[in-house]
Amino acid sequence: NAGVTQTPKFRILKIGQSMTLQCAQDMNHNYMYWYRQDPGMGLKLIYYSVGAGITDKGEVPNGYNVSRSTTEDFPLRLELAAPSQTSVYFCASSSGLFAEAFFGQGTRLTVV
Amino acid sequence: GENVEQHPSTLSVQEGDSAVIKCTYSDSASNYFPWYKQELGKGPQLIIDIRSNVGEKKDQRIAVTLNKTAKHFSLHITETQPEDSAVYFCAASSGSARQLTFGSGTQLTVLP
Repeated sequence: NAGVTQTPKFRILKIGQSMTLQCAQDMNHNYMYWYRQDPGMGLKLIYYSVGAGITDKGEVPNGYNVSRSTTEDFPLRLELAAPSQTSVYFCASSSGLFAEAFFGQGTRLTVV
Repeated sequence: GENVEQHPSTLSVQEGDSAVIKCTYSDSASNYFPWYKQELGKGPQLIIDIRSNVGEKKDQRIAVTLNKTAKHFSLHITETQPEDSAVYFCAASSGSARQLTFGSGTQLTVLP
């Protein structure tokens, strides 16, 4: 069982560069989420989706964009990388509002 | 929006002792309270959850209690073992919010 797969695992970006963090799940979950985790902090929700074609902002959406063209994939786009976006990014999926959220292994992003 | 506070931020216990982590939440509409365990270099993993119509739930050495009136819930781990060492996160969610709000995490260290 692959579960939630994130790529890449590590990435270094220069200020102003762009990149897409990939997230794929094979559990046919409708709900998908992107979180960022800063050192010593909890998980902050960036964007979420309740189904293909539907996305919504979370607590910290500025500087990011998402799309959900299929049930399986939920990529996160950084358009103009800034040092404040240095963080560990987690993608998660769940089958419903009150169901277990399954997390990927995370992407460690450094912006220099 | 929802605000979840978690205490303590770090907790050290001797192997075999109990550990208690406490969380408070602000939104009285929240009705789902999961706990996640995050091991080093991995994504969070659900260990137990509770819904608002239940005051306590147990699963072997782990239990969660919920006091809706006071808006707080706690994680209890009995007979701690070294493999319990990890970061633990509480979270809260309401159906209308369609998202989980996480606490800031507790680093639990079980000393042999």
